[in-house]
Amino acid sequence: EPEVTQTPSHQVTQMGQEVILRCVPISNHLYFYWYRQILGQKVEFLVSFYNNEISEKSEIFDDQFSVERPDGSNFTLKIRSTKLEDSAMYFCASTEETSASLFGPGTRLLVL
Amino acid sequence: GENVEQHPSTLSVQEGDSAVIKCTYSDSASNYFPWYKQELGKRPQLIIDIRSNVGEKKDQRIAVTLNKTAKHFSLHITETQPEDSAVYFCAASIGDYKLSFGAGTTVTVRA
Repeated sequence: EPEVTQTPSHQVTQMGQEVILRCVPISNHLYFYWYRQILGQKVEFLVSFYNNEISEKSEIFDDQFSVERPDGSNFTLKIRSTKLEDSAMYFCASTEETSASLFGPGTRLLVL
Repeated sequence: GENVEQHPSTLSVQEGDSAVIKCTYSDSASNYFPWYKQELGKRPQLIIDIRSNVGEKKDQRIAVTLNKTAKHFSLHITETQPEDSAVYFCAASIGDYKLSFGAGTTVTVRA
């Protein structure tokens, strides 16, 4: 069964540094998402991406965040200048139009 | 935006007993309600989902019910087993698009 993949699995960075989280969605899926989960809390929506553009974003997704689909397979989340409060598990998800969102294994980001 | 409330936050059951988790949602336009199981440090895994044109759906020991009028939906796990121990999240969306999650229920099945 196809799965969403994410790299890296763990990322440690210094406050103020840029990080790029990578995802490979399922190949025939059309909608791509980033969610984050702060330790012990619920999963929160960050941004959705369809037809090569952002379709919706949350209040969390401020100017420090950006997403990109640089080629036909990768979907990336960039945080330009990381803050301590960006420490969380970041999940990528993808879906066809009529199927459930399938989540990747996540990237655990720790900002020091 | 959509607000999903989930109860209880923790649930401890004896192996073989049933577990019930309840969620309410605020946006009457929501029409898709998936449930995810998340084991420690792992990705959320879809276990069952229901659409608003259906009142109940069952898959082996797991069932979900939906009351559109009251805007609540529930997960029922029967004959619980130790491997059912995990955090369970309900979610709601309009279409199959962005998901609004509940706060999660930590289920512990006692052997």
